[in-house]
This record gives sequence, C-alpha cells and structure tokens, in this order.
Amino acid sequence: KAGVTQTPRYLIKTRGQQVTLSCSPISGHRSVSWYQQTPGQGLQFLFEYFSETQRNKGNFPGRFSGRQFSNSRSEMNVSTLELGDSALYLCASSLEGTNTEAFFGQGTRLTVV
Amino acid sequence: AQSVTQLGSHVSVSEGALVLLRCNYSSSVPPYLFWYVQYPNQGLQLLLKYTSAATLVKGINGFEAEFKKSETSFHLTKPSAHMSDAAEYFCAVSAKTGRRALTFGSGTRLQVQP
Repeated sequence: KAGVTQTPRYLIKTRGQQVTLSCSPISGHRSVSWYQQTPGQGLQFLFEYFSETQRNKGNFPGRFSGRQFSNSRSEMNVSTLELGDSALYLCASSLEGTNTEAFFGQGTRLTVV
Repeated sequence: AQSVTQLGSHVSVSEGALVLLRCNYSSSVPPYLFWYVQYPNQGLQLLLKYTSAATLVKGINGFEAEFKKSETSFHLTKPSAHMSDAAEYFCAVSAKTGRRALTFGSGTRLQVQP
C-alpha cells in the first residue's frame, strides 16, 4: 500500500510570491490534514479536509488556504510569502480524521528568502 | 482547550538502558493520546495510540505507554534503548469528537550513547 506522498520535497521561494504544495493520501483515506513545523513554534495544525470540505481550521492567517479534490488529493496554497513561512509542511491522511490514526508524508521543506 | 507538555527537550541514555520520555496532557474530557517519532528530514511515524481501551498500550519497536488519568500522564517507555531509537519524539492529544486535530507537545530529542 503506497504511503502519503507530498510534492515537492523542497522549495525555495522569494518573499511576496505564492506557493502550492500537493499531498496524495493513502488510497481510501478521505481525511487530509496539514501541519506546519518550525523550530520556534513546533507542530501546528493548519486545516483538515474531509470529502472535499474543510472540516477544521487552525489559527493561521487567510494567506494560508487549501482544497481537496474528489480523489482526496489535497493542495495547500500560501500567498504573499513571508520569511516566517519557512517551515516543514506535513500532510497527514486518515480514514475519518487524525484523531484516530494519521499517516504522515515526508513533508515539503519550504524556504522563503 | 487541550495542551500537551513534554518534560525534557533532550534526553540522553546509554545503549541498553531504559528509555523514559514524559508527557502530561491537559484536557477537559478524556482525550485520545498518541506518540509519534520523527527521524531527520522525515515525516512523523505513529508509535502507539490510546483510544480509551487498555490503559497500557504497546506500540512498534518495543515501545509502550501507560495512560494514567489521575496523573494526566502518558509517558513513553522502552526497556532497552537501541542506537536506532535516536530521533525526536512527539506526544499528541486530540478530542474524540468535534475538532479532531492533533495538538502536539514540543518534542523530546532522544540521544543514545554507545
């Protein structure tokens, strides 16, 4: 069974640009969640999508958005990048929600310069 | 609101020694609890989870954790450390219903000395 796939693995962007990250969940999983990991703030929840609908949202500005497609693949977008957006972005997939059993991808390392 | 406190950002043990990583949670209702491990430049791997069945939970790679409601703790243990256990460990909590996102502790980096 293939795991959670995140692309790309590494990204370098300039301040002010926008970026889109992709996540393909495990086959059959309908829930996809996104987390941001930084040395200063640790692991923080961004949002969760379930059957193409945003079900939960963390405390991040509106520059962070996401969506989920009918095949459960998800994308997250960050607009007007700031230096502080540099982080490892992790995607987690699960059958019903990450409070049961979540499987994480290897992450996308975003560096904003 | 839920929160997790991991005592000790760094723990160092000798190979073959007991591993004990501490986690205390705060939650208004009994939550689900998890331990994850992260190796460098990797995502998170689930070690074990507590979902209100047995209070002693066994996980992968010889790890186990005990849910103690009276102490609001969920400490992770392993009887004998191996070099390959060197990694960062995260305790996490989530609600059983409603907002089901994981709230993570700040992590504990485990070093294993030969």
